[in-house]
Amino acid sequence: GAGVSQSPRYKVAKRGQDVALRCDPISGHVSLFWYQQALGQGPEFLTYFQNEAQLDKSGLPSDRFFAERPEGSVSTLKIQRTQQEDSAVYLCASSLIGGRAGLTGELFFGEGSRLTVL
Amino acid sequence: AQRVTQPEKLLSVFKGAPVELKCNYSYSGSPELFWYVQYSRQRLQLLLRHISRESIKGFTADLNKGETSFHLKKPFAQEEDSAMYYCALNTDKLIFGTGTRLQVFP
Repeated sequence: GAGVSQSPRYKVAKRGQDVALRCDPISGHVSLFWYQQALGQGPEFLTYFQNEAQLDKSGLPSDRFFAERPEGSVSTLKIQRTQQEDSAVYLCASSLIGGRAGLTGELFFGEGSRLTVL
Repeated sequence: AQRVTQPEKLLSVFKGAPVELKCNYSYSGSPELFWYVQYSRQRLQLLLRHISRESIKGFTADLNKGETSFHLKKPFAQEEDSAMYYCALNTDKLIFGTGTRLQVFP
């Protein structure tokens, strides 16, 4: 595809339900990032992959959050037993190259998945 | 602590007026800074990065290490500049500020 694709665009979950959010990065991009953006806030880093390796998951708020990128392409962010405070837009971004140098280039963002937990 | 601060949530100007969106950072290493922009109903996208020392859409930003600032400036605002602007710092991951909404009135 032409850009980073995320699905679903909108998800409403009941408290306690598990959700899975998918990110399809630009083909060939090495780095993949997940961010959480609460209403009125800037994007907050969750986790980072270089190919299939999860190099940084320091931003995941709890062990209910889990991300994977098994083949170094599509990534899934899973949230177990959702809570109301998980309501946010989840942004995925990809970058052509890896490591810190990859961040001096351009991050390409998806449109985000808006999660609402009732 | 590594932090990006954008003190203004909203900045409103009239078309043709100068614009300065403030960004201050806290980082012990050599900073790499960016401005990202999100237009209405569009995805977040890179506007400019300090290492390129470029002007994009008439916007410039100068890194001032003494004041730990990276303010975004444009001498004459246009209506199409209305958007959310985020300053970001590279610390092995991008750290974003809370954003400033720029409104340019006709």
